[in-house]
Amino acid sequence: DAGVIQSPRHEVTEMGQEVTLRCKPISGHNSLFWYRQTMMRGLELLIYFNNNVPIDDSGMPEDRFSAKMPNASFSTLKIQPSEPRDSAVYFCASSSVDSNQPQHFGDGTRLSIL
Amino acid sequence: AQSVTQPDIHITVSEGASLELRCNYSYGATPYLFWYVQSPGQGLQLLLKYFSGDTLVQGIKGFEAEFKRSQSSFNLRKPSVHWSDAAEYFCAVGAGGGATNKLIFGTGTLLAVQP
Repeated sequence: DAGVIQSPRHEVTEMGQEVTLRCKPISGHNSLFWYRQTMMRGLELLIYFNNNVPIDDSGMPEDRFSAKMPNASFSTLKIQPSEPRDSAVYFCASSSVDSNQPQHFGDGTRLSIL
Repeated sequence: AQSVTQPDIHITVSEGASLELRCNYSYGATPYLFWYVQSPGQGLQLLLKYFSGDTLVQGIKGFEAEFKRSQSSFNLRKPSVHWSDAAEYFCAVGAGGGATNKLIFGTGTLLAVQP
């Protein structure tokens, strides 16, 4: 079975540019999570969705960050405008709230803002 | 508030030696507990989980963990470490009381394995 698929794997862009990260959860999973990992702050939950509805976005650092889940098989995390301090590895994870399954993680997107 | 503490930032063991990684949690109810492993450049892979029942849980790759309510601990163990076990290990607690609600992660323990 395909796992959680994230794209791109690496992104390098200049500050001020818009960045869009993409995630395809495991088929049948109805919960989706976005995390950010940095050396300084470790692994932080940014936002999560149940059945395509945002449940908790308290971890989203500021208004420059937004996330959408237009359908059960796709989610985006957008940063506009990007800043150097946004450089991190961003992970997407999915699970099934109905069957009480643990979260499965994608391989992440390594983002560098110059 | 829920929290997870992994007191050891970095541990080095010799190949073939036993391993114990410590994890302490703070949570008001019966916790859902997890151990994940992260290899360089990879995402997090679930090693094992505790929801209820037997307090000694077995996971993949020969790992096990024991839930001790009295000590608020969920330490990860392996009797004989292999070089391929070198990675970063994260303990997590399910903050919402369910496996799929948001997880609170510890800061991780980086394991190095000496030949």
